[in-house]
Amino acid sequence: AQSVTQLGSHVSVSEGALVLLRCNYSSSVPPYLFWYVQYPNQGLQLLLKYTSAATLVKGINGFEAEFKKSETSFHLTKPSAHMSDAAEYFCAVSPQGGYQKVTFGTGTKLQVIP
Amino acid sequence: NAGVTQTPKFRVLKTGQSMTLLCAQDMNHEYMYWYRQDPGMGLRLIHYSVGEGTTAKGEVPDGYNVSRLKKQNFLLGLESAAPSQTSVYFCASRPTGMGATEAFFGQGTRLTVV
Repeated sequence: AQSVTQLGSHVSVSEGALVLLRCNYSSSVPPYLFWYVQYPNQGLQLLLKYTSAATLVKGINGFEAEFKKSETSFHLTKPSAHMSDAAEYFCAVSPQGGYQKVTFGTGTKLQVIP
Repeated sequence: NAGVTQTPKFRVLKTGQSMTLLCAQDMNHEYMYWYRQDPGMGLRLIHYSVGEGTTAKGEVPDGYNVSRLKKQNFLLGLESAAPSQTSVYFCASRPTGMGATEAFFGQGTRLTVV
C-alpha cells in the first residue's frame, strides 16, 4: 500500500519569502515521488520527480525537493516566492517497478501575499 | 502538440441522465487514467487502463464504466448520474518504462449533476 500526506491544506507566504510545502509518504517498496502544480481551471503539470538518482531534486520555476528516507518526507521548497507561484500543489507517490499506480495527496493551496 | 484532450469541458446533467466523457491522447502512451477531483480530497482514481482493450477499477469506481477500444482513447461513462458525481474529472496518460514516468493531464471536465 502507498499513500502521501500533505500537511496544511492552505499555506500563505509573503512575496519574496521562503516557500515550504510538506509531504510525507508511506510505501512498502522504494517509491518514486512527484510534485505537481495546478493553476486555476487547469490540469496538473509536473514540477519535479524523485527517481532515486539524487536525493535533492531540482524542478521548474525554481522549486526543489529533498528526499529524506529516514523521515519518509519529500518537502517542496522555493527560496523566494513569486506572485505567479499561487496555485495548488500535489504530492504523489508511485512504487518502483511493475505497473506504476500513482497515488495523490489532498493538495496544498499556496497563497502569495504582495 | 495536443497532448491529452478531454471532451467536453463543461456539462450539466439532470439526475438519472447518462453521458460519456472522452479522453484522447496523441503521445502513444500505454497507461491511461480517470480521476475525480473534489475539494479537500485531492485526486481519486476512478478507473485506469494499462493498454488497449484493458481496464481496471481504481479506488472510487462505483457508478462509472470505462472502455479503451483504441489505444489513444479512454472513455468514462456515467449510466445514471447522481448529484454525488458532481466533480471535476481529469484524464491522464503515462508512458511505460522502468524509470519514473510522469503523467500528462488533460484540462479537466467540470460536471454538475442537478
